Amino acid sequence: QKEVEQDPGPLSVPEGAIVSLNCTYSNSAFQYFMWYRQYSRKGPELLMYTYSSGNKEDGRFTAQVDKSSKYISLFIRDSQPSDSATYLCAMGGANFGNEKLTFGTGTRLTIIP
Amino acid sequence: DADVTQTPRNRITKTGKRIMLECSQTKGHDRMYWYRQDPGLGLRLIYYSFDVKDINKGEISDGYSVSRQAQAKFSLSLESAIPNQTALYFCATKGTGYDYTFGSGTRLTVV
Repeated sequence: QKEVEQDPGPLSVPEGAIVSLNCTYSNSAFQYFMWYRQYSRKGPELLMYTYSSGNKEDGRFTAQVDKSSKYISLFIRDSQPSDSATYLCAMGGANFGNEKLTFGTGTRLTIIP
Repeated sequence: DADVTQTPRNRITKTGKRIMLECSQTKGHDRMYWYRQDPGLGLRLIYYSFDVKDINKGEISDGYSVSRQAQAKFSLSLESAIPNQTALYFCATKGTGYDYTFGSGTRLTVV
């Protein structure tokens, strides 16, 4: 079993819809949770960064962490064609200075105009 | 200029050839990483370096070697390329948190 599971999609939704992307994990030591966005032919770029359980909002994006269920989500409101990309979840433990991230496999998202 | 620059962007090479992928960064960070990305497998860590004298194997280091020439430069070598090393390769750097900055990647094809 992988430490981090992510539905690969692909996921296609119409413009303006709410998008929900999810990851589950098995390692209880994970405390830092990130979402990266990767456009075609580009490297991943950090989108959201959360610590422990709870919600974090940044514009149209909301990251949600439920440590009791080992489940994280990324919500995109009022989705735009420019949101079309692959979204990767990533997680790390408390010793983030010297630890490595564990990535999900990514979900490919297409927003249809 | 990009914070993390990888060269070449694309490369086709033959089985058995030696190839080097290069990475340089302008973030001033000590920590640098090499990942490969394959469909369905995500990003997997090949090697990482915490400073010029500290190099560590990742989860899939077999068949690869690295060199940290300076704080800003970290190169990845395939000593004898094989077809299952065909992948997208990313270099990354980070500071003291989890703020990774990735390069744009090298698409390597081994025929």
